[in-house]
Amino acid sequence: GQQVMQIPQYQHVQEGEDFTTYCNSSTTLSNIQWYKQRPGGHPVFLIQLVKSGEVKKQKRLTFQFGEAKKNSSLHITATQTTDVGTYFCAGPGETSYDKVIFGPGTSLSVIP
Amino acid sequence: KAGVTQTPRYLIKTRGQQVTLSCSPISGHRSVSWYQQTPGQGLQFLFEYFSETQRNKGNFPGRFSGRQFSNSRSEMNVSTLELGDSALYLCASSPTGQGRPFTDTQYFGPGTRLTVL
Repeated sequence: GQQVMQIPQYQHVQEGEDFTTYCNSSTTLSNIQWYKQRPGGHPVFLIQLVKSGEVKKQKRLTFQFGEAKKNSSLHITATQTTDVGTYFCAGPGETSYDKVIFGPGTSLSVIP
Repeated sequence: KAGVTQTPRYLIKTRGQQVTLSCSPISGHRSVSWYQQTPGQGLQFLFEYFSETQRNKGNFPGRFSGRQFSNSRSEMNVSTLELGDSALYLCASSPTGQGRPFTDTQYFGPGTRLTVL
């Protein structure tokens, strides 16, 4: 069945270092969304990508949608302690059972 | 606008009991979705309601059910609780919850932490 995977599962970085998480889908996605969940919190919508090859930036965050629309990445430049959390990608499901499928997430720890 | 609210925030039940969780969406949002989040399975879609109708349903047993009221508030019910039902249950609202493919932004509530003993 349709799968959405993310790597790495965990990432520990020194504050100021860059961070990248990758999202890979087994099927072509019409769009992809990214969410951030702080420890003890709930997922918060970050961005949606729709077009093949699309790149969007939000301050230190850069989101990219692959040309084949099967992968995406989130890059954070010069991480800060406020970036701590789990980053999820999510894509629309194909079956009647899955309106949207979330990746397992990448948990980011930032060492001050 | 006030965000999505969920009650209760924490709940402890024993096996075999049933539980009802409540979600109030952002004002004006007509779509409410429910998710189960566990460390092992991650975020899994339970069901979506739009205008009081269940529009989509995840691959969960019939013990999991829900409903939506005319004011868009939603409840989900889990009957005959099992240990494996221990999880964070998240409710998310969206303006239209467009059908397929899903493109709407979801606004999540703080969740209800359910522990089954």
